[in-house]
Amino acid sequence: DSGVTQTPKHLITATGQRVTLRCSPRSGDLSVYWYQQSLDQGLQFLIHYYNGEERAKGNILERFSAQQFPDLHSELNLSSLELGDSALYFCASSRSGTSGRGTQYFGPGTRLLVL
Amino acid sequence: AQSVTQPDIHITVSEGASLELRCNYSYGATPYLFWYVQSPGQGLQLLLKYFSGDTLVQGIKGFEAEFKRSQSSFNLRKPSVHWSDAAEYFCAVGTTSGTYKYIFGTGTRLKVLA
Repeated sequence: DSGVTQTPKHLITATGQRVTLRCSPRSGDLSVYWYQQSLDQGLQFLIHYYNGEERAKGNILERFSAQQFPDLHSELNLSSLELGDSALYFCASSRSGTSGRGTQYFGPGTRLLVL
Repeated sequence: AQSVTQPDIHITVSEGASLELRCNYSYGATPYLFWYVQSPGQGLQLLLKYFSGDTLVQGIKGFEAEFKRSQSSFNLRKPSVHWSDAAEYFCAVGTTSGTYKYIFGTGTRLKVLA
């Protein structure tokens, strides 16, 4: 158990809908990262938040957004969903927020299926 | 641009045999280097990491990796594979300056034959 929790574990929805994925980092970790893992794209970095502020953006679509709240949990919002958004979405947390040094601890993921 | 290459998509070894998974990176300086393992239906777990110092790094579950600057490589090794090692393995690079980035390779899926 990494100490990172993600809810829900599974999500099935329809095209055009909007969903919210939730992540709680390990106790004491200020950084939260979101990744998308799919068969064709592999593990793609989406976005990084540190102590409530956005630190880096990766391959995140404009239809996707994220935020980190004062209690440090984070939410990833996916809107106008398409079939191709079906994937496993991981959240990771780390103590470090300013470099690539921090070890990232991954949650179990949320499996999203868009029908 | 920074990149990570894991040239082997699939590897099959017999239980008890030695293992080496390859990882090459492209980066202008020495990056931070990581190996993660992902079991089916699970999240990623850190096996080991290299920041500086001794280029041979020991990790959990009997794994080790060697950083070779001249080859821009960080190959993962295990002297004797166990059936429970069957999983997908990801090499990752963390940038050490400039815009923060954490880049994963495409993964190597390991199959272990009994």
